[in-house]
Amino acid sequence: GAVVSQHPSRVICKSGTSVKIECRSLDFQATTMFWYRQFPKQSLMLMATSNEGSKATYEQGVEKDKFLINHASLTLSTLTVTSAHPEDSSFYICSARDPRTDSTDTQYFGPGTRLTVL
Amino acid sequence: GDSVTQMEGPVTLSEEAFLTINCTYTATGYPSLFWYVQYPGEGLQLLLKATKADDKGSNKGFEATYRKETTSFHLEKGSVQVSDSAVYFCALRNTGNQFYFGTGTSLTVIP
Repeated sequence: GAVVSQHPSRVICKSGTSVKIECRSLDFQATTMFWYRQFPKQSLMLMATSNEGSKATYEQGVEKDKFLINHASLTLSTLTVTSAHPEDSSFYICSARDPRTDSTDTQYFGPGTRLTVL
Repeated sequence: GDSVTQMEGPVTLSEEAFLTINCTYTATGYPSLFWYVQYPGEGLQLLLKATKADDKGSNKGFEATYRKETTSFHLEKGSVQVSDSAVYFCALRNTGNQFYFGTGTSLTVIP
């Protein structure tokens, strides 16, 4: 199946700094990517839908100025957590749909990025 | 709003035991239902899916039947193996193409 990678897998940063997380589709071009956040023992929560060449669509309650999403190419979407604070510590997961499949149901997930803000 | 509730873990089973992981959902309309699996150090992978009532999804010996009357999509396997140790997520996709996930159930199979 399709492969999605994320980088870095873990990052620790100081409060007030910004952190960029990359999501890449390795063997397909993804016109749409999704960013999720997962708190311990909780569900994955959709943060935003990233469309190549246009602005991301954010879910209600997600601060677009806090979580900057850029989908500049068909294989790369980035999530930048700006002025990070300890409450932003979480597990961030991206996913992408492979347009080569004939179903919109299947999403391919990256392995996730563990962010710890000190 | 739409949501998914799945049984909490962790679940520990002996090899060849029967597995059931319960999942119920709340949604308007007719969602599609999924089970995803996450092996250690890897991303979530689609395990099986069902798109309408009474459909049965199956893969790698796992099965789940879309039960509209009980709003359930329980995951079952007749004989688990050590290699099935992973975290299992139940999910739905609503008519607005949004995905909602359960909290995940960790399964450990011991030899």
